[in-house]
Amino acid sequence: NAGVTQTPKFQVLKTGQSMTLQCAQDMNHEYMSWYRQDPGMGLRLIHYSVGAGITDQGEVPNGYNVSRSTTEDFPLRLLSAAPSQTSVYFCASSRQALYGYTFGSGTRLTVV
Amino acid sequence: EDQVTQSPEALRLQEGESSSLNCSYTVSGLRGLFWYRQDPGKGPEFLFTLYSAGEEKEKERLKATLTKKESFLHITAPKPEDSATYLCAVPTKGGSNYKLTFGKGTLLTVNP
Repeated sequence: NAGVTQTPKFQVLKTGQSMTLQCAQDMNHEYMSWYRQDPGMGLRLIHYSVGAGITDQGEVPNGYNVSRSTTEDFPLRLLSAAPSQTSVYFCASSRQALYGYTFGSGTRLTVV
Repeated sequence: EDQVTQSPEALRLQEGESSSLNCSYTVSGLRGLFWYRQDPGKGPEFLFTLYSAGEEKEKERLKATLTKKESFLHITAPKPEDSATYLCAVPTKGGSNYKLTFGKGTLLTVNP
């Protein structure tokens, strides 16, 4: 039982490059979300999804896109990376929004 | 505006020295309060969910309690392995769905 799997674990991008952070869960959870964690700022919600085909914006959605074509996968796309997007990104899943979340191990992204 | 505030930001204890962490919230219609533990370089790990004032949950040396305004995470006779960042979170309404809003966390260090 893998839980929530995030890839890659580390990534360095140049300003303006695009990339996709992958997130997959094998628990048949309907609810998935993406957070970024920065020193002094805590965990901030980027985008979330309540089921396949349904996504919504969180607190800091600008510069990020998501889609949810399957229950298992919820990729996060950076369209044109900026240094302000340097952060640690966490994906989380849950049976529903009011249940405990399972987090992935994170992706540490540096934009230079 | 829905807010979650944790205090103190950092706490240093000697092994065996009991203490409490605080999580205060301003949310209309509380739908639960979650506690997580986060070790350096890892994703948050779910500890407890509390749903109503007066409720208590225990796990080893940790006990979480909930009132109408705040939650406490009591740590009894802590050990160095309890050192971590402790996060609390509450569901907040975003459009038609709930999303999880986190406090900034309390960094706990337990010295041997």
